[in-house]
Amino acid sequence: AQSVTQPDIHITVSEGASLELRCNYSYGATPYLFWYVQSPGQGLQLLLKYFSGDTLVQGIKGFEAEFKRSQSSFNLRKPSVHWSDAAEYFCAVEGRGSTLGRLYFGRGTQLTVWP
Amino acid sequence: EAGVAQSPRYKIIEKRQSVAFWCNPISGHATLYWYQQILGQGPKLLIQFQNNGVVDDSQLPKDRFSAERLKGVDSTLKIQPAKLEDSAVYLCASSVLAGELFFGEGSRLTVL
Repeated sequence: AQSVTQPDIHITVSEGASLELRCNYSYGATPYLFWYVQSPGQGLQLLLKYFSGDTLVQGIKGFEAEFKRSQSSFNLRKPSVHWSDAAEYFCAVEGRGSTLGRLYFGRGTQLTVWP
Repeated sequence: EAGVAQSPRYKIIEKRQSVAFWCNPISGHATLYWYQQILGQGPKLLIQFQNNGVVDDSQLPKDRFSAERLKGVDSTLKIQPAKLEDSAVYLCASSVLAGELFFGEGSRLTVL
């Protein structure tokens, strides 16, 4: 069955520092992978997605993620964090077959940004 | 473009009472989802509609939860009777493309 692991519950970085949020997935075939962000009191917003092709995908707000099949990972990165990036970040994998269209979310990583 | 609308934003009830949540998806979005997000966990799919038909309700606790999507637009999620463990944020989302979901702000339920 599909699943996603986000090993870091909470990460704190200084404004201007680089950021990497980890995501590992479990899926037999080529996965469809997503990163969503949830700001306080807001719904989730899609940051970026990977379906196939180039393993480095660009998203909104200056984020990027790299798909590494050998490591079953899809880590989210940003070269320079802004205070407005403080939020919770969720990695997700889409189901296939009978669960096509269903997103399986990780538990999320809470990002705190120090000024 | 208007986003996904949900109401109420907050609801507090006692166990064994009933509650209903309403969702209005983005215009033209055929697929509608209800997710449950318990504190400290990622969202979990409860039910998925395609137009007004149910695509996936395998994770919906049908003894107490029900959902409908009349005329393929608005949707209502009902819980009756509520249990303490139903305390969560109920997220509605809609989409045109699989995986690219647009979420509402959620309805936070507290069951006492």
